[in-house]
Amino acid sequence: GNSVTQMEGPVTLSEEAFLTINCTYTATGYPSLFWYVQYPGEGLQLLLKATKADDKGSNKGFEATYRKETTSFHLEKGSVQVSDSAVYFCALSVNAGNMLTFGGGTRLMVKP
Amino acid sequence: SAVISQKPSRDICQRGTSLTIQCQVDSQVTMMFWYRQQPGQSLTLIATANQGSEATYESGFVIDKFPISRPNLTFSTLTVSNMSPEDSSIYLCSSGRGQGETQYFGPGTRLLVL
Repeated sequence: GNSVTQMEGPVTLSEEAFLTINCTYTATGYPSLFWYVQYPGEGLQLLLKATKADDKGSNKGFEATYRKETTSFHLEKGSVQVSDSAVYFCALSVNAGNMLTFGGGTRLMVKP
Repeated sequence: SAVISQKPSRDICQRGTSLTIQCQVDSQVTMMFWYRQQPGQSLTLIATANQGSEATYESGFVIDKFPISRPNLTFSTLTVSNMSPEDSSIYLCSSGRGQGETQYFGPGTRLLVL
């Protein structure tokens, strides 16, 4: 079956620190990979995506590269801000239908 | 990007009652999905709502507990029936068109069952 594993949180960083949130996956088929973000009290927003190997998704200073050889899609940001404090979800979809399989979520807390 | 709205945004309900959640998309979409997010947890797919056919439920979810309607390509409802405190969660709908297409989420319905 399909599954997504991401590092457990919470991750606590100081402002301007470098961020990495690890995500690995197993999938039957060739998945598309996503990072979603959930700010406090809000719904889920797409942060970035990649649909094939070696693609790099990027948005708002966040990046993630689709690594088929290591089945990974790690999220990175060079300099985090307090406003980046949220829960981050790694997810995949395979085949038709587009339903998503989510990782457990990683809470990021950025302190000034 | 698709704009998705949900009603109600939140509700507090009594044990044994039912609540129907509405999801509206601003464009026609093939697939709509319903997810549950229990407190502090990740999202779990409840079912896929297909227009013109019965919903497809994931393991652990049944139609009697979570009946779904999909009367057209822009609208769906999820009913949480005979509620218990264990049903307290955020319920989210999402839409997508095909493999690789981005899936967008509604703002969620926060349900508390007393």
